[in-house]
Amino acid sequence: NAGVTQTPKFRVLKTGQSMTLLCAQDMNHEYMYWYRQDPGMGLRLIHYSVGEGTTAKGEVPDGYNVSRLKKQNFLLGLESAAPSQTSVYFCASRRSGDTRNYGYTFGSGTRLTVV
Amino acid sequence: TQLLEQSPQFLSIQEGENLTVYCNSSSVFSSLQWYRQEPGEGPVLLVTVVTGGEVKKLKRLTFQFGDARKDSSLHITAAQPGDTGLYLCAGVETSGSRLTFGEGTQLTVNP
Repeated sequence: NAGVTQTPKFRVLKTGQSMTLLCAQDMNHEYMYWYRQDPGMGLRLIHYSVGEGTTAKGEVPDGYNVSRLKKQNFLLGLESAAPSQTSVYFCASRRSGDTRNYGYTFGSGTRLTVV
Repeated sequence: TQLLEQSPQFLSIQEGENLTVYCNSSSVFSSLQWYRQEPGEGPVLLVTVVTGGEVKKLKRLTFQFGDARKDSSLHITAAQPGDTGLYLCAGVETSGSRLTFGEGTQLTVNP
């Protein structure tokens, strides 16, 4: 049982380049999330999805796009990378139902550097 | 977005000492979750507290949810080097679908 798998683990981009981060979960979870983690700022929500074919904006969505074409996959895209997007990106998922009781399962992260 | 303030941001203690980490907000949350994160890994859920005033224990870790469901604390008794890590509190917003994280407390327990 792999849980949440993120690829790639590391990436260096030049300013203006594009890339897609892939998140895959094998727990049949309905909800999926993309966060970025920066020193001293905790985890900030970029986009999330409450089910296949749905997406919604989080706290810091600008410069990012997402797609959830299949229930198990949640893709995060950067169309034109900027140095401000240098960060560690985490994908998470959780089951549906009573939100109060269900924790998130996180992937191990993608460390992205934009130069 | 409902905000959570976590304190202290950094904590360095000796093995065997006790410590408390605080998580505060002006907003009410449906529940509070605590996660622990190790370098190079994602956060891992430790506990969820749901009811105001609730106390949960996980070995040497004690978690408490404030009566008004606006704050929480994590107390570690007799800390060990294996407790070293980043501790994150996270509140389930009253709207239900999103989790708001505090900034985290980086704990270092020295042998």
